[in-house]
Amino acid sequence: GPKVLQIPSHQIIDMGQMVTLNCDPVSNHLYFYWYKQILGQQMEFLVNFYNGKVMEKSKLFKDQFSVERPDGSYFTLKIQPTALEDSAVYFCASSLGGEVFFGKGTRLTVV
Amino acid sequence: QQQVRQSPQSLTVWEGETAILNCSYENSAFDYFPWYQQFPGEGPALLISILSVSNKKEDGRFTIFFNKREKKLSLHIADSQPGDSATYFCAASESNSAGNKLTFGIGTRVLVRP
Repeated sequence: GPKVLQIPSHQIIDMGQMVTLNCDPVSNHLYFYWYKQILGQQMEFLVNFYNGKVMEKSKLFKDQFSVERPDGSYFTLKIQPTALEDSAVYFCASSLGGEVFFGKGTRLTVV
Repeated sequence: QQQVRQSPQSLTVWEGETAILNCSYENSAFDYFPWYQQFPGEGPALLISILSVSNKKEDGRFTIFFNKREKKLSLHIADSQPGDSATYFCAASESNSAGNKLTFGIGTRVLVRP
């Protein structure tokens, strides 16, 4: 089936540093998402993105977070600066507007 | 406030039994309910979904039963196999909203013993 690729699978970063999580969505998809999952808890919506713009963001999408997809390349989530509570698995997803396909996630550890 | 609730948190069944996973929701505007299956180290994968206009959806060994009045649904896994051992997430969204933002439950971890 269609694949959403996430790079890297695991990232360890010092608190206060910047991190960029990369996502290669399904090629013809139009909607892009980031979700956050803390171990043992539910997956929570962060943001969705369409036609070059953020459509909706949740309260978890702090001012330190930003997303972009320049010229149809990777869909990225940037966190600057990182905080300890940002440690989680971040899932990228994409859709044509119907079924949502998820990547395998990037495990971010902030130390 | 959890908008989508799942129970039980974990479930163990013997091979061949039917596993029953429960889900309930708060938001009456939700009308699309996908169930996702997630194996360790993998992303969630869509297993089966239902729209609120239906009360039952079947796909092989997997069946969703939906009760709109009570805002409840359940996933039945018939003839459970060890390969079905995974975490199952109930999710919900408003199908006519742009972007299909999903609200997830906390998941049910299923273990199928051979």
